[in-house]
Amino acid sequence: KQEVTQIPAALSVPEGENLVLNCSFTDSAIYNLQWFRQDPGKGLTSLLLIQSSQREQTSGRLNASLDKSSGRSTLYIAASQPGDSATYLCAVKYGGSNYKLTFGKGTLLTVNP
Amino acid sequence: GAGVSQSPSNKVTEKGKDVELRCDPISGHTALYWYRQSLGQGLEFLIYFQGNSAPDKSGLPSDRFSAERTGGSVSTLTIQRTQQEDSAVYLCASSLYGYPYEQYFGPGTRLTVT
Repeated sequence: KQEVTQIPAALSVPEGENLVLNCSFTDSAIYNLQWFRQDPGKGLTSLLLIQSSQREQTSGRLNASLDKSSGRSTLYIAASQPGDSATYLCAVKYGGSNYKLTFGKGTLLTVNP
Repeated sequence: GAGVSQSPSNKVTEKGKDVELRCDPISGHTALYWYRQSLGQGLEFLIYFQGNSAPDKSGLPSDRFSAERTGGSVSTLTIQRTQQEDSAVYLCASSLYGYPYEQYFGPGTRLTVT
């Protein structure tokens, strides 16, 4: 079964700290992997998309890495800010016909001032 | 440009009633997806439309759920004879058909069945 797991389920850090969110997937035959942010009561905002041929993507203070052989991706957030507080979701597009995303259950991040 | 829009943003309905949820994708996006986000279940795929091809309905949880897409644009998700377990946030996403298949999500419709 193609699954996505995110650890930890929740994380609380002081402002300014660098942090890493983890995502693991069960099948290495992925097409791409996407990291999203979800604020309470809101939809999903795409942060980074990594194609299966890529090892990492960067946007501002965010860096996402992909290791297909170990079935892992990490989202690194540098110099965290209270505005980074949200739920972060990892989603994998497995190779197949319908291009649906398979989501992890997310990591709830709280950055304390 | 305009993003994916969904209506209504909130819907409260009585058990047994039918509901319709609407999604307007980004203009030019031929692929459209519906997902459901339930407490404790995470985000689950429901249905996928691509152009004029037959939709992939493999994620629909029961035959009470159906969806259509008219004119290759607006989509409606219909839930008949709603049950309390249908309470969730229903999210719509759209993408171009082709590399990199990046999906853009709407704000969702929060459905509460009482």
